[in-house]
Amino acid sequence: GAVVSQHPSWVICKSGTSVKIECRSLDFQATTMFWYRQFPKQSLMLMATSNEGSKATYEQGVEKDKFLINHASLTLSTLTVTSAHPEDSSFYICSARDPSGSEFLFNNEQFFGPGTRLTVL
Amino acid sequence: GQNIDQPTEMTATEGAIVQINCTYQTSGFNGLFWYQQHAGEAPTFLSYNVLDGLEEKGRFSSFLSRSKGYSYLLLKELQMKDSASYLCAVPDSNYQLIWGAGTKLIIKP
Repeated sequence: GAVVSQHPSWVICKSGTSVKIECRSLDFQATTMFWYRQFPKQSLMLMATSNEGSKATYEQGVEKDKFLINHASLTLSTLTVTSAHPEDSSFYICSARDPSGSEFLFNNEQFFGPGTRLTVL
Repeated sequence: GQNIDQPTEMTATEGAIVQINCTYQTSGFNGLFWYQQHAGEAPTFLSYNVLDGLEEKGRFSSFLSRSKGYSYLLLKELQMKDSASYLCAVPDSNYQLIWGAGTKLIIKP
């Protein structure tokens, strides 16, 4: 089946530093990847939609200069949290879809990475 | 606008049956997903309904009524490991998932 990995699975950093999170599709080509953020006891919040080879589309209220997204290849998207602050501490999850792949039963299905727990001190 | 509603929390007993409801209001319809999410983990796919009716998959079943904008997830023979949040989601025309807030299911022995 389709597998999506994320690295790192958890990270602790000091306030003001930048953190890069990688999202990889291991056995399929992901034309579209989604980045979510989830605070404790809350549902997933879509941050941005990333299409390979083009600029990401950010949701309202998400600062594009703070959350840099790069989707340079069909198997890798990165999210960089620049100048992280304690309020950025959250669970970051990516998902990927490729409607042309045989792994996907439905065009709309998204496969999720395991998530990255970010703690900013 | 687009909106998805589901109960915040439900409690059930091990071995019993529980039904988690989801109502949605969307412009257009591209199917409805149910995901399970354990605390601290990413969501995992449970079911996808695009046609009306009940789809059964082992202990879990999912029902859809497009005319009523309504779906439910039915969990039978509940096990302690079923304690999790259950998320209802509907894709929009750009394939972005619109998520419900999730229903936290607590299983008691």
